[in-house]
Amino acid sequence: DAKTTQPNSMESNEEEPVHLPCNHSTISGTDYIHWYRQLPSQGPEYVIHGLTSNVNNRMASLAIAEDRKSSTLILHRATLRDAAVYYCILRDNYGQNFVFGPGTRLSVLP
Amino acid sequence: DTGVSQNPRHKITKRGQNVTFRCDPISEHNRLYWYRQTLGQGPEFLTYFQNEAQLEKSRLLSDRFSAERPKGSFSTLEIQRTEQGDSAMYLCASSAIGQNFYNEQFFGPGTRLTVL
Repeated sequence: DAKTTQPNSMESNEEEPVHLPCNHSTISGTDYIHWYRQLPSQGPEYVIHGLTSNVNNRMASLAIAEDRKSSTLILHRATLRDAAVYYCILRDNYGQNFVFGPGTRLSVLP
Repeated sequence: DTGVSQNPRHKITKRGQNVTFRCDPISEHNRLYWYRQTLGQGPEFLTYFQNEAQLEKSRLLSDRFSAERPKGSFSTLEIQRTEQGDSAMYLCASSAIGQNFYNEQFFGPGTRLTVL
């Protein structure tokens, strides 16, 4: 699986937008970009995924660069409950396990 | 259905003892995964089942580790002769092919193992 690079930590103020970057310069044509997050004392949970086009769901938006070598997870209005470790993972659609990196620890300040 | 459940949530054992963890996946999910997570790191894949067949094992899964899913429903992960390096959170996840063939994994809360 191709590797991803994320900042170790980020900070945001409550109710402000948060942009979490992910670099994946060795992404292959069949790799999807997945984002999971892990709240304290819980297992990871799905956030969003995409291939080429930007994606929106009720939790977040995913902006994918035209060359697909980077992407950004956007939380439109951070809440205290969004404080978590966010993982950006590449996997093709036929793959099974995820290869998690250390992720980005997001702190949300009241 | 309340999601993936794992038991016990916490286990403290002495070095050299055997331990067994259980995972109950979401009922209609035919795929089940085990991961291990140490402090400050992301989860690491251990093994994967499709129904009762164990289809993939990581090289992290030493001979002391064994996983089963006898009837394609719940799964157990056993660690024999535990070592202090086995101390970690053990996560279980399940999945089924969903819309557009997306394979979203649903994780349980994990079992935290401490080996003294």
